[in-house]
Amino acid sequence: EAQVTQNPRYLITVTGKKLTVTCSQNMNHEYMSWYRQDPGLGLRQIYYSMNVEVTDKGDVPEGYKVSRKEKRNFPLILESPSPNQTSLYFCASSLMASGELFFGEGSRLTVL
Amino acid sequence: AQSVTQLGSHVSVSEGALVLLRCNYSSSVPPYLFWYVQYPNQGLQLLLKYTTGATLVKGINGFEAEFKKSETSFHLTKPSAHMSDAAEYFCADSGNTPLVFGKGTRLSVIA
Repeated sequence: EAQVTQNPRYLITVTGKKLTVTCSQNMNHEYMSWYRQDPGLGLRQIYYSMNVEVTDKGDVPEGYKVSRKEKRNFPLILESPSPNQTSLYFCASSLMASGELFFGEGSRLTVL
Repeated sequence: AQSVTQLGSHVSVSEGALVLLRCNYSSSVPPYLFWYVQYPNQGLQLLLKYTTGATLVKGINGFEAEFKKSETSFHLTKPSAHMSDAAEYFCADSGNTPLVFGKGTRLSVIA
């Protein structure tokens, strides 16, 4: 089944404790992206990747890192999480940047 | 900068009534336009998309949208709302990659 898989789905952590949210897709998609969703703000793009070893900042990259060492994986790294990073995070992929995006189920992160 | 505007953060309709969710885009290049739906506690899934060709686009679950270049609009409609349509709806444009989303419209359906 074609899918985008994110883990963990739910996480409560404390300020400053590094964490990684993994994202994997099995559709051989070139393009992958991370979004955060906050009430009243819609979806805001954090980082995206057009292909392996190519990543670019989105609208809200501060406090986040990503890597794209393999085509299928695009982890989101929070080196030192802060409470303002409490949010619902979505990973998405598509065949090309302008095409239909396939979304993961989301990862709800709470930073205390 | 490219933007997508969805008029109304919350729309409420009665079951069986017309659903109209409004979306305006701003990209100066030919747009690729999308509507996504997000059901509670789920990710987003594609409802329909416009790339080129016919300006009236039909999607899943009886939804359709019409691309109107003169109005820079891509409004989503459904003739008769069903309780299961209650969700959040996002309009998006990738005329200039990457995809830009509107802030979303929450649709409530009243029995």
